[in-house]
Amino acid sequence: QKEVEQDPGPLSVPEGAIVSLNCTYSNSAFQYFMWYRQYSRKGPELLMYTYSSGNKEDGRFTAQVDKSSKYISLFIRDSQPSDSATYLCAIMRTGGGNKLTFGTGTQLKVEL
Amino acid sequence: DAGVTQSPTHLIKTRGQQVTLRCSPKSGHDTVSWYQQALGQGPQFIFQYYEEEERQRGNFPDRFSGHQFPNYSSELNVNALLLGDSALYLCASSLAGQETQYFGPGTRLLVL
Repeated sequence: QKEVEQDPGPLSVPEGAIVSLNCTYSNSAFQYFMWYRQYSRKGPELLMYTYSSGNKEDGRFTAQVDKSSKYISLFIRDSQPSDSATYLCAIMRTGGGNKLTFGTGTQLKVEL
Repeated sequence: DAGVTQSPTHLIKTRGQQVTLRCSPKSGHDTVSWYQQALGQGPQFIFQYYEEEERQRGNFPDRFSGHQFPNYSSELNVNALLLGDSALYLCASSLAGQETQYFGPGTRLLVL
């Protein structure tokens, strides 16, 4: 079993839609959760970082963590064509020496 | 403030050759991590350097080695290249004690 599972998509939505991206993880030792956005042929860009259960909002983006279910989500409101990218969830253990474990990434396309 | 920089951007090698990739961390950061991202996959952790020493290593063979210099920049060396080493190699920098990592644009390596 992979330590973190992510639906690879692709996911196609119309402009203005609410997008929900999800990951599950297997080990409760993971305590830090991040979402990265990666445009084609570029490096990942940090979007959101959280370490507690609940919601964290930043503009059109909301990161949600449910530690009891080992489930993390990223919501994008009012999606734009510029949001078209691959979204990677990444998790880190407590005392894990800052090693990030990534999901496979979900490819998102927002269409006009 | 310069972000993480990597060189070269692209590289083509043949099987059996050796390659050196370079990374300069974000200003003020002292920790460098290297990741390998195969096509359609999430990044996989190779190793991490702090205070010029390898602090943590992922599941990669000894053909992968690295170095960190006193100015915190880092090199990744891969010996005896295999076709399967073709990937995007990403460098991420962070500040010791902080979880967030910032990625460079990557070096795309093609092994023929």
